[in-house]
Amino acid sequence: AQSVTQLDSQVPVFEEAPVELRCNYSSSVSVYLFWYVQYPNQGLQLLLKYLSGSTLVKGINGFEAEFNKSQTSFHLRKPSVHISDTAEYFCAVSDTYGGATNKLIFGTGTLLAVQP
Amino acid sequence: DTAVSQTPKYLVTQMGNDKSIKCEQNLGHDTMYWYKQDSKKFLKIMFSYNNKELIINETVPNRFSPKSPDKAHLNLHINSLELGDSAVYFCASKAGDSPLHFGNGTRLTVT
Repeated sequence: AQSVTQLDSQVPVFEEAPVELRCNYSSSVSVYLFWYVQYPNQGLQLLLKYLSGSTLVKGINGFEAEFNKSQTSFHLRKPSVHISDTAEYFCAVSDTYGGATNKLIFGTGTLLAVQP
Repeated sequence: DTAVSQTPKYLVTQMGNDKSIKCEQNLGHDTMYWYKQDSKKFLKIMFSYNNKELIINETVPNRFSPKSPDKAHLNLHINSLELGDSAVYFCASKAGDSPLHFGNGTRLTVT
C-alpha cells in the first residue's frame, strides 16, 4: 500500500529565507508524486508533479522539488519565500497517472508560516 | 468563472439530520471526486465518478450517498449526520492526464 509522510506539521521561516518541506513516500510499484498548496479557505492547487524523467521538477511560484528514489523522498524547496507563500502544503503519491481509477494518497500537510 | 464550485460553503446542522452538498464543474471533465479533510487537515478520497458511473468507493459509511445526474455534477447526500462527520468536504474533477482541480470546500459542522 502507498503512503506519504510529511514529518513537519509546521515550518516557520522568515521572509526571503530559503525553505525545504520534507516528504517521504512508500510505494511498491511505479510512483507519481505531487505537491499541492492550500491557501486559507480555498481548495488545493497543484504546485508541481513528478511523472518521469528529470528528477528535479520545477513548479509554479518559484517552487521546485527533487525526486530521490534511493531515499524515497520528494522534498519541496524554494530559495526565497514571501509572506504570500504562507499556506498548507500537501505531498501526494499515486501508483497510476491518468484514467478514472487514479487516486491520490495525501500526506498530512505542512503549514509554511512565513514571518516578516 | 469558478471551475469547480461547491454549495454551500458552510453548513451547520444537528446530529441525525440529512443534508446535501452540491458540486458542479464547468471544465468538461469526465471524472469527479469527493474528498474529506478532517480537523487535522488529513485529506482522504471518498468517491469518484466517471461519466456518471461510480468508480471508487473508499469504504465510506452507506449514510453517504453520491449522486451524479450528469458528468458535470456530483452531489453528496449524507443521512443521519454524526459528530464525526464534521469536516471540510472537497469536490474535485479531472480529465485524462490533467491534474485534479479542487473546489473551495464545504465546511460541515455537526452539533
